[in-house]
Amino acid sequence: QSALTQPASVSGSPGQSITISCTGTSSDVGGYNYVSWYQQHPGKAPKLMIFDVTKRPSGVSNRFSGSKSGNTASLTISGLQAEDEADYYCSSYTSSSTEVFGGGTKLTVL
Amino acid sequence: QVQLQESGPGLVKPSETLSLTCTVSGGSVSSDNYYSSWIRQPPGKGLEWIGYIYYSGSTNYNPSLKSRVTISIATSKNQFSLKLSSVTAADTAVYFCARGGRWYPFDYWGQGTLVTVSS
Repeated sequence: QSALTQPASVSGSPGQSITISCTGTSSDVGGYNYVSWYQQHPGKAPKLMIFDVTKRPSGVSNRFSGSKSGNTASLTISGLQAEDEADYYCSSYTSSSTEVFGGGTKLTVL
Repeated sequence: QVQLQESGPGLVKPSETLSLTCTVSGGSVSSDNYYSSWIRQPPGKGLEWIGYIYYSGSTNYNPSLKSRVTISIATSKNQFSLKLSSVTAADTAVYFCARGGRWYPFDYWGQGTLVTVSS
């Protein structure tokens, strides 16, 4: 299985909005509403931010939102804050009942 | 609050078998819809899903690692384990255990443990 495709890096200024894309195929992202997004700060374990494409776990800021169109899922962060600077990974369930991650996107808050 | 903790050797010799255990507290690995997964992250690189196990013993593995991976579960100890055989330097990574897998998100993670493959 091939990794999902994410941009290597994105950046934005405090208060702005950014979107990170995650492109797969009809056998993963496009075929199921089981896309998740994870935030990882250096030296820490990943944290679940979005699941089932659009759902937010309890305690996650509503500045984080998810969507999907065809084979591409997206994570949008509005009202950027310095603490949002981190690596972000998408993941998807696949037609083989496995999981596949994206390559990761480094978010820089300018 | 579910907590997971990885344990095992931090150094493994090439061609040998990497063995790690994840101990779960605050939740039961025997619960319905509780899938337990292993995920790894080579230094400076992205996340790679290794495989999952259900309390029934049902497993599924990353096709790229399938020939070398075994995940097992000890429900009486609330633990699950990873064995990766014939390791090389490419298997050097931080190994995470997590709750989730199949179509369930990885909502709880261990802190991760660095395993280095070197003679």
